[in-house]
Amino acid sequence: EAQVTQNPRYLITVTGKKLTVTCSQNMNHEYMSWYRQDPGLGLRQIYYSMNVEVTDKGDVPEGYKVSRKEKRNFPLILESPSPNQTSLYFCASARARAHEQYFGPGTRLTVT
Amino acid sequence: DAKTTQPNSMESNEEEPVHLPCNHSTISGTDYIHWYRQLPSQGPEYVIHGLTSNVNNRMASLAIAEDRKSSTLILHRATLRDAAVYYCILRDPPVTNFGNEKLTFGTGTRLTIIP
Repeated sequence: EAQVTQNPRYLITVTGKKLTVTCSQNMNHEYMSWYRQDPGLGLRQIYYSMNVEVTDKGDVPEGYKVSRKEKRNFPLILESPSPNQTSLYFCASARARAHEQYFGPGTRLTVT
Repeated sequence: DAKTTQPNSMESNEEEPVHLPCNHSTISGTDYIHWYRQLPSQGPEYVIHGLTSNVNNRMASLAIAEDRKSSTLILHRATLRDAAVYYCILRDPPVTNFGNEKLTFGTGTRLTIIP
């Protein structure tokens, strides 16, 4: 089954404790992206990647890092999480030059 | 990106058709019209897209006005599973320039299905 998976689905952590949210897709997609969703602000793009070793900032990249060492994986790294990074995070992927994008089920992160 | 305007919420009875409107008066000649939906506690899900002609797929139909300044997503027979937030999004044609394929989500229309 074609899908985007994220882990963990739920995470509660404390300020400053490094964490990684994994994202993996099994569709051999070139493009991958991270969004965060906050009430009243909608979905905002954090980072994106057009292929292995090619990443770039989205609209709200501060406080986040990403890497794309393999085509299928695009982890989101929070080196020193802060409470304002409490949010619902979605990973997405797409084939190059395709219309349809596929989203993961989401990771709900709470930073206390 | 050109802006879209959708009603905040709509209600419909189960097993009846639903027409979800979207206004995009500043659409450019090459913008595609996309629809995504987000079911409760899930990620957004692609529904349909079109450029000028009306489009049909297994999930829905998309009716595009002749001047392209508005469009309507049609669910032919709504079920409880169709309760979701529906987003109308304009995008540059991805086939011409592979770059940041960012989707700009607005606030969408929250569709409630009444049993």
